[in-house]
Amino acid sequence: AQKITQTQPGMFVQEKEAVTLDCTYDTSDPSYGLFWYKQPSSGEMIFLIYQGSYDQQNATEGRYSLNFQKARKSANLVISASQLGDSAMYFCAMREGSTGANSKLTFGKGITLSVRP
Amino acid sequence: KAGVTQTPRYLIKTRGQQVTLSCSPISGHRSVSWYQQTPGQGLQFLFEYFSETQRNKGNFPGRFSGRQFSNSRSEMNVSTLELGDSALYLCASSLSLAYSTDTQYFGPGTRLTVL
Repeated sequence: AQKITQTQPGMFVQEKEAVTLDCTYDTSDPSYGLFWYKQPSSGEMIFLIYQGSYDQQNATEGRYSLNFQKARKSANLVISASQLGDSAMYFCAMREGSTGANSKLTFGKGITLSVRP
Repeated sequence: KAGVTQTPRYLIKTRGQQVTLSCSPISGHRSVSWYQQTPGQGLQFLFEYFSETQRNKGNFPGRFSGRQFSNSRSEMNVSTLELGDSALYLCASSLSLAYSTDTQYFGPGTRLTVL
């Protein structure tokens, strides 16, 4: 079974509007971290936001927020007030923490976001 | 603070050759991980290093190898290149291996083309 699922094929949003990018995950490890990265056409993976499995509140970082629903195993990224520079590929990733020291990230297939002027 | 740097940024090789990619982590970061990104397979974990030791390895053939130096800089090597090795190779660094909270920060990647 896939550990990270991102099923939206491609998303379009009007500039200045909000958009939600979906991510569901699968793990039996009680300790895990969920990450969102942005990858522009240049290729570099840019860290956006992190949510820990024990965090009580949803994470926020500027225009980015994470809608964390633990029982549903979903960690959707919300981008408010979209900007043209937000056009990129977005990846959801998970790091499982209880099985020993490792930093391996498991990534979803990514979602392409296009912001229209 | 400088970010993760990778050299070279672009590389063209022919089948059968070998290649070495280099990664310098963020200052103070001791963990370095490598990922391969292709259109077909997406992002796949190659291996990770901490304190000059390989701590975890992905499902790749033995042609893929790596090492980490005492200053935390890392290199990965691919021998006997195949066409399917054409990919973007991303290096990431984090403070440690111990916590699921440690964020991995990525470099700009090395785009390898095998002809």
